[in-house]
Amino acid sequence: KNEVEQSPQNLTAQEGEFITINCSYSVGISALHWLQQHPGGGIVSLFMLSSGKKKHGRLIATINIQEKHSSLHITASHPRDSAVYICAVRGSGDKLTFGTGTRLAVRP
Amino acid sequence: NAGVTQTPKFRILKIGQSMTLQCTQDMNHNYMYWYRQDPGMGLKLIYYSVGAGITDKGEVPNGYNVSRSTTEDFPLRLELAAPSQTSVYFCATSPGGWAETQYFGPGTRLLVL
Repeated sequence: KNEVEQSPQNLTAQEGEFITINCSYSVGISALHWLQQHPGGGIVSLFMLSSGKKKHGRLIATINIQEKHSSLHITASHPRDSAVYICAVRGSGDKLTFGTGTRLAVRP
Repeated sequence: NAGVTQTPKFRILKIGQSMTLQCTQDMNHNYMYWYRQDPGMGLKLIYYSVGAGITDKGEVPNGYNVSRSTTEDFPLRLELAAPSQTSVYFCATSPGGWAETQYFGPGTRLLVL
């Protein structure tokens, strides 16, 4: 079993829809990262969180440490949100363990 | 500021050839990392450096070497290319450690035939 599992693997939405991407992990962690990989391949960090909730624009990330689960929400989705969203966790060894990503396509 | 730059963008190598993937940053970050991304897999850490002159192995170091003679540069060397090294390679940096946001370069796509 992978340490980091993301669901769904692929997601297609209509513009304007509310989107949820999930990340579950099996080890104790000190922090969780959400990253976005653009269609051209570039990777940017969206959030780093260890508890509660963070919001940036239309993006919201939440984490439940007890349940070992995090969600990334996108409100009022737009075609420019089309990308691969990657969850990564930092465990006791400090290094990041990455999920395989959720590929999101938002149709106009 | 350019941030993190990587060269080349794309390269085809023959089995047994060697090459160096370049990574340069202008953010004065201490930590630098090399990852590889294979289709359908999560990013895997190859090597990392916590500062000039200090490097350490990550999860998948076999077949690779690194050096860090300056804060700015962290080249990744492939000595004897193998088809298993076909991948996309990302360099990343963070200011002071694992607990901080990582900033990624644009990636180098490598094909070994």
